[in-house]
Amino acid sequence: GGIITQTPKFLIGQEGQKLTLKCQQNFNHDTMYWYRQDSGKGLRLIYYSITENDLQKGDLSEGYDASREKKSSFSLTVTSAQKNEMAVFLCASSLGLGGWAEQFFGPGTRLTVL
Amino acid sequence: GDSVTQTEGQVALSEEDFLTIHCNYSASGYPALFWYVQYPGEGPQFLFRASRDKEKGSSRGFEATYDKGTTSFHLRKASVQESDSAVYYCALGDMGYKLTFGTGTSLLVDP
Repeated sequence: GGIITQTPKFLIGQEGQKLTLKCQQNFNHDTMYWYRQDSGKGLRLIYYSITENDLQKGDLSEGYDASREKKSSFSLTVTSAQKNEMAVFLCASSLGLGGWAEQFFGPGTRLTVL
Repeated sequence: GDSVTQTEGQVALSEEDFLTIHCNYSASGYPALFWYVQYPGEGPQFLFRASRDKEKGSSRGFEATYDKGTTSFHLRKASVQESDSAVYYCALGDMGYKLTFGTGTSLLVDP
């Protein structure tokens, strides 16, 4: 088995601030994902990466940057936090194609912007 | 583009009730269909998948049948337990890298 670790668990930021979320996986999976989860809206794909140093934009990439410097880690940066924003950011990984294979999720980072 | 519709935002049942959560999809081609479950404070967990017409997926007493004619993949369980209380997500996979999720259905089971 394996595990996905997300840090921090809770993140409080100020409007306009640049914020970075980190994700580590020990499954040795090639593909990693970042999703945003808002109440009533389900999960929306922000970025994904099919291998080290690869980045692919999802449906919600505007306002975010991502980095995959190692196979085991995938970081997400909120480039300018929006006031009153509240969401959960979920990291996931899959062995193969995530639109076919099971995706494994971390517990999430809960973002609050004051 | 691809989309998934879950019509029930919340479902409230008593233990041993029969559960149905509806899921309809819209996609070009022949997608894979998934159910994921999310317990409080955790990330979603894979429940099961189906990839062809009339295929039944099942796990932990839950099941769903891929129906290309009605573009549906409804989740059913014959007798729910309090421990089944969670949020259930239907998802559509493009057989590539992307998964499109529905908005989720929150299930609350009273003991």
